[in-house]
Order: sequence, then structure tokens, then C-alpha cells
Amino acid sequence: DVQITQSPPSLSVSVGDRVTITCRASQRISTYLNWYQQKPGKAPKLLIYAASSLQSGVPSRFSGSGSGTDFTLNISSLQPEDFATYYCQQSYTTPMYSFGQGTKLEIK
Amino acid sequence: QVQLQESGPRLLKPSGTLSLTCAVSGDSISNNQWWSWVRQAPGRGLEWIGEIHHSGGTNYNPSLESRVTINVDKSKNHFSLNLSSVTSADTAVYYCARNARVTGTTVHDYWGQGTLVTVSS
Repeated sequence: DVQITQSPPSLSVSVGDRVTITCRASQRISTYLNWYQQKPGKAPKLLIYAASSLQSGVPSRFSGSGSGTDFTLNISSLQPEDFATYYCQQSYTTPMYSFGQGTKLEIK
Repeated sequence: QVQLQESGPRLLKPSGTLSLTCAVSGDSISNNQWWSWVRQAPGRGLEWIGEIHHSGGTNYNPSLESRVTINVDKSKNHFSLNLSSVTSADTAVYYCARNARVTGTTVHDYWGQGTLVTVSS
């Protein structure tokens, strides 16, 4: 099984900050890595797929990069509506779609 | 606009069977897509449970496979989840989601709002 390690578990940030969240896979997974945003009490929302492709309707301040085992989600300038929990998900070992542990963005 | 809606009992006793249905609108289950269940225990991360194709083909998370059954009813355009022998560890928000293949990868692009199922005596 592919294990996904996401870090950090939480991040204390301010509006306007640049944010970087990382996911590391236990084996090479090419670019089969997706990112989701989840707000309290809501379902996850797809942000980035295939490591770097922006889902339709997602603001361009979100970007993803990486391949193989190391991946990052970047938010260029954090907006108030971006305070949420972010999850990565690997889809290399279809159909076992494992998620990272999540990163919660908190207001500094 | 694709919409998914979970329904089913919200409170179960230990050793019982969890049964949820996901009603799909704005899309046909008979399109060539897979449909998934994902759960989230309180304060925890996301766990993929399993998926079903309109043909009836299924795939399950190995950690739950012995207790999980997912079915599809094309006439009602919905799919369902059954999880047997539940314990308090199965208390979670249960989501249904649509799988989509995009540039070779699989994503969950539409989700239901989720339903909290509590297992308690």
C-alpha cells in the first residue's frame, strides 16, 4: 500500500501569507496526487488534480507541484475564505485512494 | 448540476448494520463512472470505504472489506452502503461522491453533504 505523509498537521497563518503544504508518498506515484479543501461541516472540495492541474473554478492563488514522492500545495496569498483543512489524496494505487492526514490552517 | 444526497438512519446500536443510500441527480449512474463512499470520524481525516460501477462491479478498502457491501439501483439512480457489525469506531460522517477520470487520474469531483452516523448503545 502507498502511505501518504502530510505535513504540517496545522499551520498558524495570516491573511496575505504564502502557504506551503507538503505530502510525501512511500513510493513513487508519478503525478497521481490530488488536493482537497474542507471547511467545517462541509464536504471536501477538489482543488488540484494530477499534482498540478487546477480544478475549474478554483482561484489561481492555489497551485500544486511535484512528482514521484514529494508534492506541495501552495497558496500564494492567503484569503479569509482559505482558512480550512487541506487533504492530499493519491490515486496511483487505484482503487485504493488513500488520503493524507490533513493540514489545518488557523488564524495567527 | 450534479448533486448527491445521503440518507439513512443516524443512530445505530453496536453490532447492528449501517445502511445508507446516496441519491444522484443531474447525472445518470449508468454513465461510465464509479461512485464512492468516504467517511470521516469526528475530528479525524478522510477514509475511502469503497466504490461501485453501474455494472455492479465493486472495490473495497481492504481494512473494511469483510464488513462492507455497496450496491447500485440504476432504476432509482442511487447507490447504497451497508456496513455490518458496527462499533463505536464506525461513528463518522459518511459521504458519497462521484469519481471522475481526468488526465489519467481519478478524483472525487462531486460530493454529498455528508450524514453523521452515531453508533451507541
